[in-house]
Amino acid sequence: QVQLVESGGGVVQPGGSLRLSCEASGFSVHNYALHWVRQAPGKGLEWVSFIQYDGINQYYLASVKGRFTISRDNSNNSVYLQMNSLRPDDTAVYYCVRDLGKVGTLRFDAWGQGTLVSVSS
Amino acid sequence: VLTQSPATLSLSPGERATLSCRASQDINNLLAWYQQKPGQPPRLLIYDSSNRAPGIPARFSGSGSGTDFTLTISSLEPEDFAVYYCQQRSSWPPLTFGGGTTVEMK
Repeated sequence: QVQLVESGGGVVQPGGSLRLSCEASGFSVHNYALHWVRQAPGKGLEWVSFIQYDGINQYYLASVKGRFTISRDNSNNSVYLQMNSLRPDDTAVYYCVRDLGKVGTLRFDAWGQGTLVSVSS
Repeated sequence: VLTQSPATLSLSPGERATLSCRASQDINNLLAWYQQKPGQPPRLLIYDSSNRAPGIPARFSGSGSGTDFTLTISSLEPEDFAVYYCQQRSSWPPLTFGGGTTVEMK
């Protein structure tokens, strides 16, 4: 059974940092690209970042570029999102999402339950 | 930019639902639809405009190409009342989603 379990969310002050983790089970992440997608409270979906199967290519939403860093550890079947210089508009549920392919078909076939990040003073 | 309409659709079980997604530029057929229920992550329904994802009931169908796309639910079941999002993969980054259509029970 394919599962993605996010962790690491919480409450942080503006300017602070958090590191989100996503542990996969039921499949090997080295065969898939992975994404982070977020959803602000009561709002729609917003794609945040992508990393291909071998970690070579990574892409970011313009508003997080330079502040967020996506990485992966295929040996631990995990993907991470390091978030620095957090702002109130980063407040959202962050979902770890599996891509259907290794280098990015950009079709999302499995989602975690999400982890809530709240940026507030 | 993806624009979904209407924002809210009020229908009864058994009725037909027609949801629209319009792209600001030609995206060929590279459009997906997702369903999201409260407190749950989205679920892939349709990819590449008209292909149902595995396990998705036949009452869900997608159509369209270029800039205009439609998700049709032929006969609403109680579990279909949810928010629906379209998503394009033609031009990225960034990947973009529409603003969503809420299908609510009348």
